[in-house]
Amino acid sequence: KAGVTQTPRYLIKTRGQQVTLSCSPISGHRSVSWYQQTPGQGLQFLFEYFSETQRNKGNFPGRFSGRQFSNSRSEMNVSTLELGDSALYLCASSSVGQGTDTQYFGPGTRLTVL
Amino acid sequence: DAKTTQPTSMDCAEGRAANLPCNHSTISGNEYVYWYRQIHSQGPQYIIHGLKNNETNEMASLIITEDRKSSTLILPHATLRDTAVYYCIVPQNRNTPLVFGKGTRLSVIA
Repeated sequence: KAGVTQTPRYLIKTRGQQVTLSCSPISGHRSVSWYQQTPGQGLQFLFEYFSETQRNKGNFPGRFSGRQFSNSRSEMNVSTLELGDSALYLCASSSVGQGTDTQYFGPGTRLTVL
Repeated sequence: DAKTTQPTSMDCAEGRAANLPCNHSTISGNEYVYWYRQIHSQGPQYIIHGLKNNETNEMASLIITEDRKSSTLILPHATLRDTAVYYCIVPQNRNTPLVFGKGTRLSVIA
């Protein structure tokens, strides 16, 4: 079974631009969660999607958004990029949920904002 | 999630067992203990989880104390590739996201 894939793997943007990151979950998995990882804040939960609906959201500004498609693939978008948005963005997929449903993480997209 | 406490860092000689402790004294009766690890700049990887009984899989063993207030992840024969940050997590349920603390940075030394 193929693992979680994320594209692109690396991205460089400038302040004020927007960016879209993509995540393809493991086949059959319906839940996709997104996390941001920075050296200062560690791994922080952004949001979770299940059956095209956002079920859970972390404490991030509205510039961070996402969506899920009918094939469970998910995208996240960051608008009006700030320097502090430089981070490793990770997505995780699971069968139906978070927490106690084992999460399978992708390799991440490393975003650098200049 | 129940709060977990882990040492900041540990060293282990290659080929020896690595024993990573975790304290979760506020864990409730139906909460599981999960372990994930993150090798540098990669996504976290699920290792093992358990409720009461000790668990073993191809990657590691998990020993949970009888009172469930602490646990130990055991890598029986650590290799250099086991160098990573190890996270002990007690998720509340399947509707809440994983909360990652700072974990334990394990360095396996040749």
